[in-house]
Amino acid sequence: EPEVTQTPSHQVTQMGQEVILRCVPISNHLYFYWYRQILGQKVEFLVSFYNNEISEKSEIFDDQFSVERPDGSNFTLKIRSTKLEDSAMYFCASKGGTNEKLFFGSGTQLSVL
Amino acid sequence: GQSLEQPSEVTAVEGAIVQINCTYQTSGFYGLSWYQQHDGGAPTFLSYNALDGLEETGRFSSFLSRSDSYGYLLLQELQMKDSASYFCAVRDPTGGYNKLIFGAGTRLAVHP
Repeated sequence: EPEVTQTPSHQVTQMGQEVILRCVPISNHLYFYWYRQILGQKVEFLVSFYNNEISEKSEIFDDQFSVERPDGSNFTLKIRSTKLEDSAMYFCASKGGTNEKLFFGSGTQLSVL
Repeated sequence: GQSLEQPSEVTAVEGAIVQINCTYQTSGFYGLSWYQQHDGGAPTFLSYNALDGLEETGRFSSFLSRSDSYGYLLLQELQMKDSASYFCAVRDPTGGYNKLIFGAGTRLAVHP
């Protein structure tokens, strides 16, 4: 089955540093998402992206966050100045046209020290 | 706002049947999905119900009653590998149904 790939699997950074989390969605998918999950908690929506623009974002997705699809295959999440509370598992997901099934990547565990 | 309620934990034995319930409150409805997540893993799609009734996929079935704002996931012939967290999810109608929101998850522990 096709899969969403995310790199790196783990990222450790100092508070205030910028991080870029990378994702390669499934090639013919049109809808892209970032979610995050703090250990033991639920999966929280961050942002959705369609037709080269953000279609929806949550309250968590403030000015410190941005997304890009720079080259038609990669989909990145940038956190400009990380905070301790940004420590979480970040999942990228993608979806085909009208299909309800979201395909999740294996996640990037971000630790902010 | 939108909310989903599901039990935090369920325990069962191998070979048994378990039902995980989910009630939802949304201002608009676009179907109920279920995802499975093993510890340290990514959520994986299990099922989707847009209409009332039961959808069966192998050992797993999912049910929806839109009039009751309620659904459940039924797992039969439980195996140890079914130990995982199970999340129900709905599309949030604010902003055009572009985001899927998840319940807090039900942790299923299957014992021998």
